[in-house]
Amino acid sequence: SQQGEEDPQALSIQEGENATMNCSYKTSINNLQWYRQNSGRGLVHLILIRSNEREKHSGRLRVTLDTSKKSSSLLITASRAADTASYFCATDETGANSKLTFGKGITLSVRP
Amino acid sequence: ETGVTQTPRHLVMGMTNKKSLKCEQHLGHNAMYWYKQSAKKPLELMFVYNFKEQTENNSVPSRFSPECPNSSHLFLHLHTLQPEDSALYLCASSQDEEGRYEQYFGPGTRLTVT
Repeated sequence: SQQGEEDPQALSIQEGENATMNCSYKTSINNLQWYRQNSGRGLVHLILIRSNEREKHSGRLRVTLDTSKKSSSLLITASRAADTASYFCATDETGANSKLTFGKGITLSVRP
Repeated sequence: ETGVTQTPRHLVMGMTNKKSLKCEQHLGHNAMYWYKQSAKKPLELMFVYNFKEQTENNSVPSRFSPECPNSSHLFLHLHTLQPEDSALYLCASSQDEEGRYEQYFGPGTRLTVT
């Protein structure tokens, strides 16, 4: 079964607005990562948040993690057309054989 | 993007052909991965190699055959594929296979099976 599920599946906003994307997961995790993928390209790592962290920032990105609700959010502030991409959350489940499990992704369109 | 390279970028092959995908990482990582990305589906992990040893085969059909001659190179040999195997095949590497490390992806090979 799928571990991470992003919400919404697609998001369209105007340049300058903030974009909020959510990820929910089912089991305990060691960390959660967010990745971006431009059309037809490979994924690019954005940010990693550990299970004992609640919030992390990187430039215009803010990631929160609520382990009690098993959810994370990625906020992109002051969005730009270049932020148009698919965004994936990936979870590292606790256990002996930890591997990253990716969700289906969110398609973000930023209109100029 | 130059940290992990993949060739070819596009490949069209018939169901009876044999072809190979190549991945090379220049990051000094120990773990390498093959993923399959199909439309509307989560990224599917296919194979994991750590220090050249295969540590995961995610129930992948035998028509996909991986090869890892050293920690920097990874191949995916393809034979007698099906049209449903058409997808973007992504290679990635990380410091170690544990999920606590970020993964670096190549640009992918867009495979079309006719």
